[in-house]
Amino acid sequence: ETGVTQSPTHLIKTRGQQVTLRCSSQSGHNTVSWYQQALGQGPQFIFQYYREEENGRGNFPPRFSGLQFPNYSSELNVNALELDDSALYLCASSSGQRKNTEAFFGQGTRLTVV
Amino acid sequence: TQLLEQSPQFLSIQEGENLTVYCNSSSVFSSLQWYRQEPGEGPVLLVTVVTGGEVKKLKRLTFQFGDARKDSSLHITAAQPGDTGLYLCAGARSNYQLIWGAGTKLIIKP
Repeated sequence: ETGVTQSPTHLIKTRGQQVTLRCSSQSGHNTVSWYQQALGQGPQFIFQYYREEENGRGNFPPRFSGLQFPNYSSELNVNALELDDSALYLCASSSGQRKNTEAFFGQGTRLTVV
Repeated sequence: TQLLEQSPQFLSIQEGENLTVYCNSSSVFSSLQWYRQEPGEGPVLLVTVVTGGEVKKLKRLTFQFGDARKDSSLHITAAQPGDTGLYLCAGARSNYQLIWGAGTKLIIKP
């Protein structure tokens, strides 16, 4: 069973640039959620994709956007990067929208905005 | 506003001691999950509790869900250095969103 993989693992960008982060979901999972985790904090929900449609969004501005592909892999795009966007970005996959479904996380992408 | 309050935020104890971490909220959750996270890694699921009053054991770790499904605790017996890490609780408010606590950083000294 293939786990959740994210790429790249580390990234440095300049303020104002755009970035794309990628996530391959676990085999058999059709739901992907993205989280932002600042240093010393718990993860904050950005949004979730279920069968290629956005299905829920946290309190993040529109410059945070995403995409899910037919194979259920996903991208997180952030435009007009700000210094406060520096964080660990986590992707989690799950097997559907059943209540109490468990999420499995990738290792994260560490984004630094300078 | 943190919807899930974890306490303590930091705990450093000697090997062999017992400890309890708490996760409290004024909201009701359909389920609550506990994760352990290593530096630079994603959280790893330890357990999911679903029913009010439920108790689950994972070796030396005991997890309890409050009767009203608003709070949970994690108790570690005879802590080992390998238990060191960031422990996170997350409550399921809907069928897709997890609400996270800020975490408890645990250090077990040999």
